[in-house]
Amino acid sequence: AQSVTQLDSHVSVSEGTPVLLRCNYSSSYSPSLFWYVQHPNKGLQLLLKYTSAATLVKGINGFEAEFKKSETSFHLTKPSAHMSDAAEYFCVVLSKTSYDKVIFGPGTSLSVIP
Amino acid sequence: DAGVIQSPRHEVTEMGQEVTLRCKPISGHNSLFWYRQTMMRGLELLIYFNNNVPIDDSGMPEDRFSAKMPNASFSTLKIQPSEPRDSAVYFCASSFPGQGVYEQYFGPGTRLTVT
Repeated sequence: AQSVTQLDSHVSVSEGTPVLLRCNYSSSYSPSLFWYVQHPNKGLQLLLKYTSAATLVKGINGFEAEFKKSETSFHLTKPSAHMSDAAEYFCVVLSKTSYDKVIFGPGTSLSVIP
Repeated sequence: DAGVIQSPRHEVTEMGQEVTLRCKPISGHNSLFWYRQTMMRGLELLIYFNNNVPIDDSGMPEDRFSAKMPNASFSTLKIQPSEPRDSAVYFCASSFPGQGVYEQYFGPGTRLTVT
């Protein structure tokens, strides 16, 4: 069975400091992994995706994530937080079975302190 | 591309009334997903269509909920009768797994309030 765990329900950082949002997954198959961001009262926007190419994936707005199979992790990072990064972040796993099915993590709320 | 279009953006209705939410996926996408988001339960997948056929409706909460996709460019999610606990934001998303493009593109959502 597939599952996604986001270890922190809430993360708070100061503007200009690094961001680390943690994600671990469980999958019986070689997964595709995604990070989505949701700003308040908005829909979800794709930040980046891993689909078995390079293990270090760069996304929009300076975010990147590294796929580590040995740790079953796909943590999201950014070197320097900006106020506009305050949002909800979802880690997502897609494991191919008979049909594509997407599993969303519970989300991590990121606050950025001026 | 206009992206995924949902209507209405906001809906306020009284308990017992029928509610219909609408979604137009991105042209060319052949998979469509309906989600519900609440503070208590987070983001829940309700139903998933592929090539207009419902593939997985295990997330549909009960018989009051139904979804249709009569053609590749339109889907509806209907609640009849509605109840206050149905209040949530409902998202529609589409994707095109046929060419390995698995990421889903989300619409802006419909905020439903049932009083």
